[in-house]
Amino acid sequence: GQNIDQPTEMTATEGAIVQINCTYQTSGFNGLFWYQQHAGEAPTFLSYNVLDGLEEKGRFSSFLSRSKGYSYLLLKELQMKDSASYLCAVRIYNFNKFYFGSGTKLNVKP
Amino acid sequence: DSGVTQTPKHLITATGQRVTLRCSPRSGDLSVYWYQQSLDQGLQFLIHYYNGEERAKGNILERFSAQQFPDLHSELNLSSLELGDSALYFCASSALAELSDTQYFGPGTRLTVL
Repeated sequence: GQNIDQPTEMTATEGAIVQINCTYQTSGFNGLFWYQQHAGEAPTFLSYNVLDGLEEKGRFSSFLSRSKGYSYLLLKELQMKDSASYLCAVRIYNFNKFYFGSGTKLNVKP
Repeated sequence: DSGVTQTPKHLITATGQRVTLRCSPRSGDLSVYWYQQSLDQGLQFLIHYYNGEERAKGNILERFSAQQFPDLHSELNLSSLELGDSALYFCASSALAELSDTQYFGPGTRLTVL
């Protein structure tokens, strides 16, 4: 089976840096996605990693280690609007299926 | 606005009924994905269509079916509805079916089964 774990909830301060971790145990891994989802809204794409290393995109960066089954999303210069759930999703090769973690609710406080 | 449209936005129906949810992908996108999001299950992948053909199936119940039409819009049919089917149903589209394709999500259809 597929298993994806994320912390349920995190709190951070405006202007700070926060790291949201995601660990996975899957067969046929072929890509990890991060999405942001505000309450009651649709998920929006943040990043995609298929090779080991860090992908940087503005204030957001995502890291992947395939050997460790581990990824993190790094958010810098936190803003109040970053308060949302962050979903980690894994794509399975050959089946083109997606498995989502339960999401990490990030609370940004002033 | 992702460019993906879904109708209706809200749907309230009774147990045992059948409903159809509709999704129009972004212009030019060939892939459509359906997801179910409920409070206790999180986001679950249901099914993927690419250019009219089914490409992958996830946790889709036998009571549910989907199709993608020649104009690339897609419909998700839910029948013999149960209370537990109450959820937010998202569709997403991507350009092709390549591994690196970004999925763009529609606003969702909130289904309430009474």
